[in-house]
Amino acid sequence: GAVVSQHPSWVICKSGTSVKIECRSLDFQATTMFWYRQFPKQSLMLMATSNEGSKATYEQGVEKDKFLINHASLTLSTLTVTSAHPEDSSFYICSATSGPSYEQYFGPGTRLTVT
Amino acid sequence: AQSVTQLDSQVPVFEEAPVELRCNYSSSVSVYLFWYVQYPNQGLQLLLKYLSGSTLVKGINGFEAEFNKSQTSFHLRKPSVHISDTAEYFCAVTPSGGSNYKLTFGKGTLLTVNP
Repeated sequence: GAVVSQHPSWVICKSGTSVKIECRSLDFQATTMFWYRQFPKQSLMLMATSNEGSKATYEQGVEKDKFLINHASLTLSTLTVTSAHPEDSSFYICSATSGPSYEQYFGPGTRLTVT
Repeated sequence: AQSVTQLDSQVPVFEEAPVELRCNYSSSVSVYLFWYVQYPNQGLQLLLKYLSGSTLVKGINGFEAEFNKSQTSFHLRKPSVHISDTAEYFCAVTPSGGSNYKLTFGKGTLLTVNP
């Protein structure tokens, strides 16, 4: 149980275009979802926290107009990278919790390459 | 705020040898502690967690960790490693007792098990 999927697993896009990444909880209702960014050989940096039906809370330094997060249902959150640039290339990972819980279940990640 | 220091960025060991991955944390409040493992190009998998109770915590794949409050440490150990244990390991903390479930991660330790 507690499986989180992400789609796509990898994506290549051209500079200036937008790309959407989906995060789904497959067998539980995710009241809270987190979006992380991971640079090569580095740790995970929390970008934002989203609760179903509410606006996402972004961490300091994260551009909310560039990284649009929508948590429309208890099983789906999306991250849209708008007007992507090569510096946005990274590994994006989502996680989800079921109810008030300290245990986060992580998705497999999405590798974004902007050319 | 919390911070996590993983003292070793890389740990090479031979197969069947014991290993210890070190983690120290800093926090002005009580915390819960976690160890996650990340295989190449994948998301994170929970190895074990400390919330309360016995300070020696056993997890999956034969790993265990000991919480030492006085030394603010949560070192991960395995008595005999396998080639398949080669991966990146992350220590993480979150404040206990509150509604903030954000995780703060260390920078990770790359464990390489050699034959």
